Amino acid sequence: DAKTTQPNSMESNEEEPVHLPCNHSTISGTDYIHWYRQLPSQGPEYVIHGLTSNVNNRMASLAIAEDRKSSTLILHRATLRDAAVYYCILWAGANNLFFGTGTRLTVIP
Amino acid sequence: DGGITQSPKYLFRKEGQNVTLSCEQNLNHDAMYWYRQDPGQGLRLIYYSQIVNDFQKGDIAEGYSVSREKKESFPLTVTSAQKNPTAFYLCASRIGETQYFGPGTRLLVL
Repeated sequence: DAKTTQPNSMESNEEEPVHLPCNHSTISGTDYIHWYRQLPSQGPEYVIHGLTSNVNNRMASLAIAEDRKSSTLILHRATLRDAAVYYCILWAGANNLFFGTGTRLTVIP
Repeated sequence: DGGITQSPKYLFRKEGQNVTLSCEQNLNHDAMYWYRQDPGQGLRLIYYSQIVNDFQKGDIAEGYSVSREKKESFPLTVTSAQKNPTAFYLCASRIGETQYFGPGTRLLVL
């Protein structure tokens, strides 16, 4: 499985932007970059995904480096409900998503 | 509302007992998955099914079994052969590139 590297934890103040980094230096040309998040004692929730171009949706933005070896999930205004573990995942159409340990985001009121 | 339901929310297993975790979806998705999550860890794939009456082993299938007799249902049985079953179990279905997860079942051993 293609691997990603994320910081174990990050903190953000409420209502400030958050940039969650992910390194994926072994990414292949067909790997999509996916982000999921998991709130405590719940199943993961899809956030966003992209291939080469930056992507925006109602939840977040995804910035992908030109060489695709890294990406950043951007939450434009963190709220307390955004406190979760965020997973960066590479997916090339195989049948499962490989979830690492992710980044635990703490939002400070 | 469309979604994935898992039951029960908590399940207790006695030594030597088989237990079955339920997973139902009304999203009309063909592909379904079972994952196991241990405290502070990521998810590991147990079994997956791409279509009715077909399923494949994932990375940690030993001690588990599944069936897929209906599109909507993908139950997981934790057998007595699984010596360390205490974990959070997550069911998911997939359409295109996106997986949708259920709320999970927490299995504890008495």
